[in-house]
Amino acid sequence: AQSVTQLDSHVSVSEGTPVLLRCNYSSSYSPSLFWYVQHPNKGLQLLLKYTSAATLVKGINGFEAEFKKSETSFHLTKPSAHMSDAAEYFCVVSDRGGYNKLIFGAGTRLAVHP
Amino acid sequence: DAGITQSPRHKVTETGTPVTLRCHQTENHRYMYWYRQDPGHGLRLIHYSYGVKDTDKGEVSDGYSVSRSKTEDFLLTLESATSSQTSVYFCAISARQGDTDTQYFGPGTRLTVL
Repeated sequence: AQSVTQLDSHVSVSEGTPVLLRCNYSSSYSPSLFWYVQHPNKGLQLLLKYTSAATLVKGINGFEAEFKKSETSFHLTKPSAHMSDAAEYFCVVSDRGGYNKLIFGAGTRLAVHP
Repeated sequence: DAGITQSPRHKVTETGTPVTLRCHQTENHRYMYWYRQDPGHGLRLIHYSYGVKDTDKGEVSDGYSVSRSKTEDFLLTLESATSSQTSVYFCAISARQGDTDTQYFGPGTRLTVL
């Protein structure tokens, strides 16, 4: 069965410093992996997705993630945080079954300080 | 936003009353999903649909039923609401992009059961 573990429930950074949000997954086959972002009182927006075409995936707003099969990780990074990046981030794995059911991590809340 | 709307956006109800939430999509997607979001749990799948009148249970389906009588509408019903069903409910569709299925989410419905 697939599962996702987000290693930090809260991350706090200063504006202009790098962001690292950590995610480990468990899957019995090659997974599809996603990062979604949720700003306060908003819906979920797709940041980026891994589909086996390339291990380094670039997303919107300067975010990227690297798929490392040997480490079963899919960490999200950004070189320089902006105040508008403050939000909750979800790492998600798809079961790649016929119904594309998703399994969500518990989320990481990112705070960005001036 | 993948043309997904949810109604109502906010609802307060009392324990024991029936509640129906509606998800409407405008792009003729086959797959639709209902999730609930609770702190510390990310999103969890309640029910999903893979076509008109074709539905199945997700991870947390107890106390919920669904119906899909036409492609564009997916209804979630709480037959007798309980306080444990206080949550934010998200509807999603799945869209095929290249070799990947990606889910896009509606704006959410905040339900409070008193």
